Amino acid sequence: GENVEQHPSTLSVQEGDSAVIKCTYSDSASNYFPWYKQELGKRPQLIIDIRSNVGEKKDQRIAVTLNKTAKHFSLHITETQPEDSAVYFCAASIVGGSEKLVFGKGTKLTVNP
Amino acid sequence: NAGVTQTPKFQVLKTGQSMTLQCAQDMNHNSMYWYRQDPGMGLRLIYYSASEGTTDKGEVPNGYNVSRLNKREFSLRLESAAPSQTSVYFCASSGRPSTGSRTDTQYFGPGTRLTVL
Repeated sequence: GENVEQHPSTLSVQEGDSAVIKCTYSDSASNYFPWYKQELGKRPQLIIDIRSNVGEKKDQRIAVTLNKTAKHFSLHITETQPEDSAVYFCAASIVGGSEKLVFGKGTKLTVNP
Repeated sequence: NAGVTQTPKFQVLKTGQSMTLQCAQDMNHNSMYWYRQDPGMGLRLIYYSASEGTTDKGEVPNGYNVSRLNKREFSLRLESAAPSQTSVYFCASSGRPSTGSRTDTQYFGPGTRLTVL
């Protein structure tokens, strides 16, 4: 079955720096890759997603890149702000008619003022 | 739209007690999911339902049962709670595009924090 590895598990940056979180997946047929942000005590919320027919997608300070050959995708946050501090989860779709996702174990991002 | 709602928000059980976690969505989604979240483990799928009347096991189904009551509601039952089931439980839904929602995007409820003593 699909397996998603996420690195690093913790990341600390200074305000204004960039942050990069990487995920690898095992099933080459996966075609949907969302990223969720979870603030302390809150629900996971979608921040950006990418589908397999696209190599890169941007939304203001957030971008996601996908390398299908290498089976990895990354989240890039530029000009980080303290409010970006949260746990970020990547996920990959499971192919086969269902709409299931397999999640990475998460990255705790801390942005220091 | 309220999106995905869950009740209760918090619950404390004693070992062996039973309870049902409730989830409802008002986005006309076909698929619904139950996850548990433990520190350092990410979100693990317990059960999911692709449509009304169908359910299937996820990664960690042991000790749980589910019921897809109708298109809106998907409940999770613990028949005999164990300390290992102490966790935060999230319900989610996804479906065909409706009022701007996208296929495959999963929307999460606020979660239920369950402690089993």
